Amino acid sequence: KQEVTQIPAALSVPEGENLVLNCSFTDSAIYNLQWFRQDPGKGLTSLLLIQSSQREQTSGRLNASLDKSSGRSTLYIAASQPGDSATYLCAVKGEDFNKFYFGSGTKLNVKP
Amino acid sequence: ETGVTQSPTHLIKTRGQQVTLRCSSQSGHNTVSWYQQALGQGPQFIFQYYREEENGRGNFPPRFSGLQFPNYSSELNVNALELDDSALYLCASSGGGQGSYNEQFFGPGTRLTVL
Repeated sequence: KQEVTQIPAALSVPEGENLVLNCSFTDSAIYNLQWFRQDPGKGLTSLLLIQSSQREQTSGRLNASLDKSSGRSTLYIAASQPGDSATYLCAVKGEDFNKFYFGSGTKLNVKP
Repeated sequence: ETGVTQSPTHLIKTRGQQVTLRCSSQSGHNTVSWYQQALGQGPQFIFQYYREEENGRGNFPPRFSGLQFPNYSSELNVNALELDDSALYLCASSGGGQGSYNEQFFGPGTRLTVL
């Protein structure tokens, strides 16, 4: 069974700092990996999707990388802002297309 | 383009009752997935529907069931509610079938409280 782990569980940084969030998964047979942000009590907002054949994706200040063989992905946030404060979740989709596995998330607090 | 919508926003039920949650998929999407998210946890995959058929299921008992309609909207039904069913229920839609990108787009969720 696929297990997805996110470290750290919580992170507090001053505004302007660059930071890295980590996601690891136990089964490298994945179809894709998706990063989301979730504000308290809300649904999930898609940030980046990486196909299993890709190494990284970028959107604005966000860059996500994927190392499928080692079962790792990182989300890099440049020049963090207080509006980035949220919980960040990664999810992997199995190669059978039909199951999805989420980590428990990293709760990020960016202090003004 | 219309996003994913869910109804109701909040719901309070008592143990043993039954509940139906609804989801309208994003325009053009034919696949809907349902998730349960307990407080402080990541979402847990319940099942997926593709073109009106169940197309994958997580580790949830049969009292969790669903439907997808010809317009690709979907329902999640939970029978014999238990206290542990209290959670945020999320619906996600994606476009195309197998072999497509399948980026998931989530609705705002339904908060279910079981007393």
